[in-house]
Amino acid sequence: DAGITQSPRHKVTETGTPVTLRCHQTENHRYMYWYRQDPGHGLRLIHYSYGVKDTDKGEVSDGYSVSRSKTEDFLLTLESATSSQTSVYFCAIRGQGNSPLHFGNGTRLTVT
Amino acid sequence: QQQVKQSPQSLIVQKGGIPIINCAYENTAFDYFPWYQQFPGKGPALLIAIRPDVSEKKEGRFTISFNKSAKQFSLHIMDSQPGDSATYFCAASENGNKLVFGAGTILRVKS
Repeated sequence: DAGITQSPRHKVTETGTPVTLRCHQTENHRYMYWYRQDPGHGLRLIHYSYGVKDTDKGEVSDGYSVSRSKTEDFLLTLESATSSQTSVYFCAIRGQGNSPLHFGNGTRLTVT
Repeated sequence: QQQVKQSPQSLIVQKGGIPIINCAYENTAFDYFPWYQQFPGKGPALLIAIRPDVSEKKEGRFTISFNKSAKQFSLHIMDSQPGDSATYFCAASENGNKLVFGAGTILRVKS
């Protein structure tokens, strides 16, 4: 799994509560990404990072924020979870140049 | 809007058959086209990738065909096996960054 650990693997939370998902990598890769996977939509990019403290928005960033204070950790925060954010969230990493994207095993989040 | 359109949504083939999954893209700046395979409970894993300077690439039983003028590419799985049953995603990007994915194809290979 390319040295990527996502935590937690499963989480159930209530509407309106804050939630933070963690991605930890041991590959020392520069680029890190958060995607969400939903039936009929494939994987959609939420936010990505190209270095410590350097982040940018993806296609579906509304309602999400990220932080990267260390090379190995990339956090995704839902400030106030909504039912539309029920999804499977994948972290991915990529090295320099034309390196391919490698994914973690995902976090299944249910917002009730 | 979906930048990469994938079809079919699902596909059932007999063992030994050749499933074909198709993708079309709009952005002519895309220069990297990977295919990912995903098993239940796992993250997508890179299967094979192609760049637009070639029209075909083979790795084992997996082949990508690429048509730059039509802005289309496809995945062929030769001699398909039950173990190939999975969800397949095509994707595209500029310079390998910010991959845009198709909606996915659920493949079932019957033994």
